[in-house]
Amino acid sequence: NAGVTQTPKFRILKIGQSMTLQCTQDMNHNYMYWYRQDPGMGLKLIYYSVGAGITDKGEVPNGYNVSRSTTEDFPLRLELAAPSQTSVYFCASSYRGAGKSNQPQHFGDGTRLSIL
Amino acid sequence: TQLLEQSPQFLSIQEGENLTVYCNSSSVFSSLQWYRQEPGEGPVLLVTVVTGGEVKKLKRLTFQFGDARKDSSLHITAAQPGDTGLYLCAGANGGSQGNLIFGKGTKLSVKP
Repeated sequence: NAGVTQTPKFRILKIGQSMTLQCTQDMNHNYMYWYRQDPGMGLKLIYYSVGAGITDKGEVPNGYNVSRSTTEDFPLRLELAAPSQTSVYFCASSYRGAGKSNQPQHFGDGTRLSIL
Repeated sequence: TQLLEQSPQFLSIQEGENLTVYCNSSSVFSSLQWYRQEPGEGPVLLVTVVTGGEVKKLKRLTFQFGDARKDSSLHITAAQPGDTGLYLCAGANGGSQGNLIFGKGTKLSVKP
């Protein structure tokens, strides 16, 4: 009963380093999302994907890149880490988009990232 | 830009008290979802409301969608320590992709 799995759970980066946050889901969901959650700021959409090979920008895409080569995996790449990217990152998936289907988004447990 | 305003931002109450959390917008949403998030975990869906004026109950939690589908409320009766967590409302904008717009959340602490 894995659902959405994110790795790593914690990471500390130095300014200018790069890293990839991994996300995989085993529910055969078409839609996948990356959010960042800052204290008192709710969840902000970074990128999303409606299926393998298709990605699109969300509200706060600058400084990030994504790819979706398979239905299961949706990695998030930080190329040049900056202190402003210190946050908790959540990956989510759903069978269809919420606005068209009212279906829930299933979230992973997050990656806590600090940029120093 | 669609926004969802949640209030209050923080709420600390004693076990057994009642409370209401509000989620308001100037925009119309095709549906609205409520999630609860516990420390160190991702949000988990509690309920989806779709029809204006709709009321849904989940044990001691009552959710209502406004008639104009611009606002929603969550009422908890006789709160328990297990209700502690961050409550997030999320509106579906009904667009072709149907992404969710999240409020900033209400952090609830229920003391025994």
